[in-house]
Amino acid sequence: GDSVTQMEGPVTLSEEACLTINCTYTATGYPSLFWYVQYPGEGLQLLLKATKADDKGSNKGFEATYRKETTSFHLEKGSVQVSDSAVYFCALKQGGQNFVFGPGTRLSVLP
Amino acid sequence: DAGVTQSPTHLIKTRGQQVTLRCSPISGHKSVSWYQQVLGQGPQFIFQYYEKEERGRGNFPDRFSARQFPNYSSELNVNALLLGDSALYLCASSSPGHRTEAFFGQGTRLTVV
Repeated sequence: GDSVTQMEGPVTLSEEACLTINCTYTATGYPSLFWYVQYPGEGLQLLLKATKADDKGSNKGFEATYRKETTSFHLEKGSVQVSDSAVYFCALKQGGQNFVFGPGTRLSVLP
Repeated sequence: DAGVTQSPTHLIKTRGQQVTLRCSPISGHKSVSWYQQVLGQGPQFIFQYYEKEERGRGNFPDRFSARQFPNYSSELNVNALLLGDSALYLCASSSPGHRTEAFFGQGTRLTVV
């Protein structure tokens, strides 16, 4: 079945450092890809998405590019802030079906 | 517009009991899905409903059931609770289309003791 793999956390960075969280997927067909973020005690919020190969999703300084050739959707940000501390989930969706989530990567940004 | 709302936010149940969780989708959304998120893991798909019909079911035992009402709200029921059912239960709603995102509620934190 479809699956999503993310880099193991936790990731600890200093404020203004560069961030990359790796995400790779296995899927039949051509899924849409998403990054969701979960702040402590809250549900999931959509961060960005890409629906076809070579699409780039971006939001709040975060970016991710849908790479079909490497089946990847790595999340990047050039300068993280303390407020970016959260758990980040990579996910895929095929057709009208359910989402398949990765295990999540916890990010802690220190001042 | 209100987002996805879930109730209750927290509850504690004893092993063997039954629990009902409730979800109201975003106005205009006809699809509701349920996910279980065990601490430290990603959400796992339980059910999807669209127009009051079950459209998908994850790998969960028959103790888990759900339904969707004419106003598109939904309930998730879990019978004969086990300690392992302790988790955050997330409800998500979405508009039609295979590229659309899901909007999640804040979840119901279920603790089974």
